[in-house]
Amino acid sequence: EDQVTQSPEALRLQEGESSSLNCSYTVSGLRGLFWYRQDPGKGPEFLFTLYSAGEEKEKERLKATLTKKESFLHITAPKPEDSATYLCAVRGGGFKTIFGAGTRLFVKA
Amino acid sequence: NAGVTQTPKFRVLKTGQSMTLLCAQDMNHEYMYWYRQDPGMGLRLIHYSVGEGTTAKGEVPDGYNVSRLKKQNFLLGLESAAPSQTSVYFCASSPITGTDHREAFFGQGTRLTVV
Repeated sequence: EDQVTQSPEALRLQEGESSSLNCSYTVSGLRGLFWYRQDPGKGPEFLFTLYSAGEEKEKERLKATLTKKESFLHITAPKPEDSATYLCAVRGGGFKTIFGAGTRLFVKA
Repeated sequence: NAGVTQTPKFRVLKTGQSMTLLCAQDMNHEYMYWYRQDPGMGLRLIHYSVGEGTTAKGEVPDGYNVSRLKKQNFLLGLESAAPSQTSVYFCASSPITGTDHREAFFGQGTRLTVV
């Protein structure tokens, strides 16, 4: 059964304190791993798609990496405006896209 | 550029009442989806559509029905609301490019409370 587990559930950082969020997955025939950002009261907003192990993508202070079993979202020198819930999702051989429960990130000035 | 628009944004229903949630997208996307989001459980797929006139069941379809009569609209219906359907509902759409699954664009959500 396809499954996505995100850790930690919540992460509190000081401004400028770099860290990583983890997304562990099991899926039959990975067709894509997605990272989304979700602000309170809003819908998820797309960040990255990764397709194969070893792939990396960057956007401002965020960098996503992928291995055969997990993905990391690295946050370098975060700012308070990076505070949000970060969602990971995977799509396997079937149609379904499975979402993790998310990591709530709090960045304090 | 509106993207994906959901109406209404908030609704309170009594147990047993019915209602329809409307999702409209202006990006000419083929795929549309309805998800529900509950605390600690992530987004779960209710129903989806791969094109006008088509619908299919997702992970948690019971108690819901959908229709896609026009490409740009995807309706989610609750025939007889139950407290277990209290949730935040998100509609999303995505394009397709060959066999690549592209990212989904989400609406702002509908917060539904069933009392």
